[in-house]
Amino acid sequence: AQTVTQSQPEMSVQEAETVTLSCTYDTSENNYYLFWYKQPPSRQMILVIRQEAYKQQNATENRFSVNFQKAAKSFSLKISDSQLGDTAMYFCAFMKAVSGGTSYGKLTFGQGTILTVHP
Amino acid sequence: SAVISQKPSRDICQRGTSLTIQCQVDSQVTMMFWYRQQPGQSLTLIATANQGSEATYESGFVIDKFPISRPNLTFSTLTVSNMSPEDSSIYLCSVEGMTGGGGGYTFGSGTRLTVV
Repeated sequence: AQTVTQSQPEMSVQEAETVTLSCTYDTSENNYYLFWYKQPPSRQMILVIRQEAYKQQNATENRFSVNFQKAAKSFSLKISDSQLGDTAMYFCAFMKAVSGGTSYGKLTFGQGTILTVHP
Repeated sequence: SAVISQKPSRDICQRGTSLTIQCQVDSQVTMMFWYRQQPGQSLTLIATANQGSEATYESGFVIDKFPISRPNLTFSTLTVSNMSPEDSSIYLCSVEGMTGGGGGYTFGSGTRLTVV
């Protein structure tokens, strides 16, 4: 079974600064996907960024980027130029790739990190 | 990516009663997933609903407590039966966000359930 660990229950950052959220995972699988989801107080789960394990290049989405270290089983999220709207709970998630490359696998979530951006 | 309409957004229920949560997707999807998020906690998968077959439940969740229907490729319901205060949680449905591998999942807006 897979496990996902987020060791930072809470983080805070000043507006416009950079913050990094940590995530480690444990799996014996070779093909899988990793995700960061954001859950603001509205409780809507929003996909922030995704990474395929077979890709060495780190994923980037505007101000969000990841540092994917497959050998170390580490998947951290860096948020640059933090904005007040980034305040939310952030979840790291793992999904095993099902045969054929389809994504009908279940997500395993970490415990979450509450990020607060201060003005 | 798919758009999900989840109802109700919140409810306060008496213990011993049941609540049915609905999720409507704007496109056909093979699998729908139901999650529970207890207060201050992470998301835990309850079951996977595939159209035309019985739902597959995760360890710790049983059909009698959380019956699921999946009558077609765009709709599913989750019922929380014989509720107790321990069932107070946010319940979310989810579908694959786009076709292909690891496209990420889209979530409904969640149902905040309070059992009194």
